[in-house]
Amino acid sequence: GESVGLHLPTLSVQEGDNSIINCAYSNSASDYFIWYKQESGKGPQFIIDIRSNMDKRQGQRVTVLLNKTVKHLSLQIAATQPGDSAVYFCAVNSGGGADGLTFGKGTHLIIQP
Amino acid sequence: DTAVSQTPKYLVTQMGNDKSIKCEQNLGHDTMYWYKQDSKKFLKIMFSYNNKELIINETVPNRFSPKSPDKAHLNLHINSLELGDSAVYFCASSHSDNSGYTFGSGTRLTVV
Repeated sequence: GESVGLHLPTLSVQEGDNSIINCAYSNSASDYFIWYKQESGKGPQFIIDIRSNMDKRQGQRVTVLLNKTVKHLSLQIAATQPGDSAVYFCAVNSGGGADGLTFGKGTHLIIQP
Repeated sequence: DTAVSQTPKYLVTQMGNDKSIKCEQNLGHDTMYWYKQDSKKFLKIMFSYNNKELIINETVPNRFSPKSPDKAHLNLHINSLELGDSAVYFCASSHSDNSGYTFGSGTRLTVV
C-alpha cells in the first residue's frame, strides 16, 4: 500500500515570503500527485497536480516539484498572502483508475503579518 | 452552480439511529468517492464508485453502505450510528484517470 507523510504539521511564514511545503510518499509506482488547500469549514480545494512523467509544474504563484528518486514532493507558494492561510495536503494515487487518493496528514500554513 | 454538492452540511443525531448523506455532482465525472476526515484532519477514503459499480471498499464497518442510483449521485447510508462515527464526511468525484478530482464542502456528523 501507499503511505504519505508531511514533514511539518505547522509552517509559519511572513507575508510576502515564499512558502515551501514538503511531502514524502512510499510507493515508487505512484503516478499522480495532487496538492489541496483546505480552509476552515470547507472541503479540500484543488491547487495543482503533477504526473510521474514530469518533475516540475507551475501554476499561478504555485510550483510543484516531484523527485521520484527520493519519493519527495513539494509545493512552493510565491509571495505568500493572508488568503493562503489554510491546511495543505498532498495526495497520491498509486493504483490508477478509480482507486482514490492517499492523503498526507496536512501542514497548517500560518501567515504572519 | 456547485460542482459537487452534499447534504446536509451538519447532522446531529443520537447513537443507534440510521442516517443518510446525499451527494450529487454535475461535472460529468464517472467516478465518485466518500472520504472521512477525523478530528486530526486526516482524510481517508471509504468508498469509490465507477459506472455504478463499487471499485474499492476500504476497511469500514458494514454499517456504512454507499448507494449510487446513477452516475451523478452517490449517497452514504449509515446504520446504528456510534459515537466514533462523528467526523466530517466528504464526497468527491473525478474522471476515471483521476483528472478533475473535486471535493464537496463536507457533512459534519456528530453522534451524541
